[in-house]
Formats: sequence, C-alpha cells, structure tokens
Amino acid sequence: ETGVTQSPTHLIKTRGQQVTLRCSSQSGHNTVSWYQQALGQGPQFIFQYYREEENGRGNFPPRFSGLQFPNYSSELNVNALELDDSALYLCASSLAGQGFTGELFFGEGSRLTVL
Amino acid sequence: AQKITQTQPGMFVQEKEAVTLDCTYDTSDPSYGLFWYKQPSSGEMIFLIYQGSYDQQNATEGRYSLNFQKARKSANLVISASQLGDSAMYFCAMKKPAGYSTLTFGKGTMLLVSP
Repeated sequence: ETGVTQSPTHLIKTRGQQVTLRCSSQSGHNTVSWYQQALGQGPQFIFQYYREEENGRGNFPPRFSGLQFPNYSSELNVNALELDDSALYLCASSLAGQGFTGELFFGEGSRLTVL
Repeated sequence: AQKITQTQPGMFVQEKEAVTLDCTYDTSDPSYGLFWYKQPSSGEMIFLIYQGSYDQQNATEGRYSLNFQKARKSANLVISASQLGDSAMYFCAMKKPAGYSTLTFGKGTMLLVSP
C-alpha cells in the first residue's frame, strides 16, 4: 500500500451534476497531482497542487478545479458533468524537489460513471 | 511535446518465462526520467522501475529490468521468471523536466501470465 487514500471508490452521477473527489496524500508528501484515466487509456494529467496552489495544469477545461488543504490533502471538483467525464480518477502524492527520481505514489482511484 | 508509445495491446506469457514489454518515447528535452508502472484490476498504479536519461547502466529492480536504448528512444521492460501475480496492465511513462513532477503515460500493455 502507498498510503494514498481516495474517496469515494465508486460513484454514479448524471449529466450536468457536480462531483467532488477526495484524496489524502502519503505522510510527508507536499505535492498532489490528479489524473484522469478513461477506459482502455493511460492516465492523463489534470493538475497539480503544491503548498495549496495549483502549479501545473494539463489540457482540461476550467470546470475541472481543485483544492489542496494545509494538511496536503486535496479535492478534485468537476462541474457540469459530461458523459466523457466517466473515468477512473487517480490521485498521486510526491515530495517536491526530487527531480526525475521522485516517485509518484498513487491511490486506488475513484471510478466515476456519468449517465 | 512528449509522447509515449506502447504498441502491444496485450501480451501472453507462461509462468516462469521472461517477457519484454515495449516502450518508445519522443521528447526534445535532453533530461528526462522514464518509469514503468503496474496497474492491477484494483486500479492502483504501482511503481516498478525508473531510468534517468543520463544513467549509464540499465536499471534493475528484482525481477524487473529496463532495457534502455537512448539512440533508439526505447525503454523496454523485461520481466524475468513471470509469476501469475504479474497479470496486470503495464504503463510506460515519462516525467517532464523541471518544475512539475507530472507523468506522461502510454496507453499500456495488458500482460496475462498462464500456468
């Protein structure tokens, strides 16, 4: 186990609704990143938070937003859900400053289905 | 832009045999890191092995080794003595240089190990 926990593990929403996914990072890790993994695809980077600020973003629209709290836990919020948002959402924590060798530790993900 | 290509959608291997999973990458950056992750059906991405672009020797971690051919831009994963528990999706990934600790993933290869 990596020590990264995500909730909920599964959820079903309908188009137009909003969803909040939560992530507790591994102890001592100050950076959290979120990935979206559609069925049959590799994970795609959504954004990253460091010291409670977004410091990197992938090619995702503004309706994908996030927060990082002082204890380094994080939330991913998605507004106006679309069918294509159905995916496994993975949270990964890491320690900033480790460069290329810094390993990302992933949670088991939240599987979102949009009907 | 960075790109990871995994051309094998699925691979079959018998228990105790070795298997090679292919990965090619494309980047214009001289410095980068290459990773392999294993994703079982539970969804969690499990780190297997890392190779830095300036590392002189191929990385090894137990039964896993990375066949790094920089001129060919390939980073194939070799699993020796396959076990039934090795059945999973395998993803090759590259880390962006400086700033972010984010990963660019390939589409993955499903490995099935038979008795």
